[in-house]
Amino acid sequence: DAGVIQSPRHEVTEMGQEVTLRCKPISGHDYLFWYRQTMMRGLELLIYFNNNVPIDDSGMPEDRFSAKMPNASFSTLKIQPSEPRDSAVYFCASSFWGLNTEAFFGQGTRLTVV
Amino acid sequence: DQQVKQNSPSLSVQEGRISILNCDYTNSMFDYFLWYKKYPAEGPTFLISISSIKDKNEDGRFTVFLNKSAKHLSLHIVPSQPGDSAVYFCAASPGMGNSKLTFGKGITLSVRP
Repeated sequence: DAGVIQSPRHEVTEMGQEVTLRCKPISGHDYLFWYRQTMMRGLELLIYFNNNVPIDDSGMPEDRFSAKMPNASFSTLKIQPSEPRDSAVYFCASSFWGLNTEAFFGQGTRLTVV
Repeated sequence: DQQVKQNSPSLSVQEGRISILNCDYTNSMFDYFLWYKKYPAEGPTFLISISSIKDKNEDGRFTVFLNKSAKHLSLHIVPSQPGDSAVYFCAASPGMGNSKLTFGKGITLSVRP
């Protein structure tokens, strides 16, 4: 398996634009997580899915953020409209067992909102 | 409020010596802890974990120690190698099952040849 695949690797966008980040989890993993990494707050869990169903989105910072998982092999994280303070590295991760077990992370998407 | 604290942002050690990375937590409900390692431009990778029923877990050169009374854990790397140079994240969760992980901000380890 190629691991968790995220796209794009880098995204630069203007404030107010819509941004969509994509993730393909490892086949067979039932859990998918979206994390955000910033210097100030470190790694934060935004939302996670179990069997394609969103379970906990309490980490999503605002209504501008939304995430979907239409099937077991694809998920998106959308920011609309984007703001400069959304600039961060966004990681997608998947695991077989659950939240507090070993998760496999993608390489991340570095988002810059100017 | 940071519930998982990695107070030293960086650490530099000589190759072959021991690296000790520290992590403190404030939530007494935490009872499962993990360490992740992250290289630049890559995602974090799982390194080692420990449950609160143990005070030590060892995997090759990596050992994690847990002191529940002090709410402190540490990762020991012996001997340190230049390839260990990375950012190390400590993470904690309040139990098995589906409890969210809380991550620290990470420690940058540099191992000098």
